Amino acid sequence: KAGVTQTPRYLIKTRGQQVTLSCSPISGHRSVSWYQQTPGQGLQFLFEYFSETQRNKGNFPGRFSGRQFSNSRSEMNVSTLELGDSALYLCASSLGDSSGNTIYFGEGSWLTVV
Amino acid sequence: QQQVKQSPQSLIVQKGGISIINCAYENTAFDYFPWYQQFPGKGPALLIAIRPDVSEKKEGRFTISFNKSAKQFSLHIMDSQPGDSATYFCAPESGGSYIPTFGRGTSLIVHP
Repeated sequence: KAGVTQTPRYLIKTRGQQVTLSCSPISGHRSVSWYQQTPGQGLQFLFEYFSETQRNKGNFPGRFSGRQFSNSRSEMNVSTLELGDSALYLCASSLGDSSGNTIYFGEGSWLTVV
Repeated sequence: QQQVKQSPQSLIVQKGGISIINCAYENTAFDYFPWYQQFPGKGPALLIAIRPDVSEKKEGRFTISFNKSAKQFSLHIMDSQPGDSATYFCAPESGGSYIPTFGRGTSLIVHP
């Protein structure tokens, strides 16, 4: 079956702009989570959506937001981009109904802010 | 407060050697202990995981050892191969959150 698909794979934005990233989870998965990965900070959890509701949230400023649609597809948005937002943004999906559900990651969206 | 401490940060071993990566945690509510493997340009992928009711789990060349009293678990890669060169993350999870807490990662390089 198809894996987690993220688009776009690469993008370059200017400071102050906003960006929207998209994630299509594995069919049947209702949980979608987002992570930011940088060399200095490692993998940091942004937020998780389950059945269109934000269920968990990490410690990121309000410029980072997300949503999930009825088909479980998810988007995340970053407004007023800063240079420090340059990172690999990873989306992951799982069944989300119990501890230990295998989490499947997409290949990520590489964001460069200039 | 860093809930998960992973060590070493980087590791270089020769082909055929044993690679050992450790993870120490503080949250006693963790009840699922996975290791993820990430190759350059790819997202992390589940490698092997253990529940706290067992002390060891082996899958091929990969073994997890779990020490509940010490709040530590480790990944052992036997007969390390150049294809194992990747970044490894421990990411324990508690039943109430559904979200793993990732360690900072260990960059493993296996020389041929």
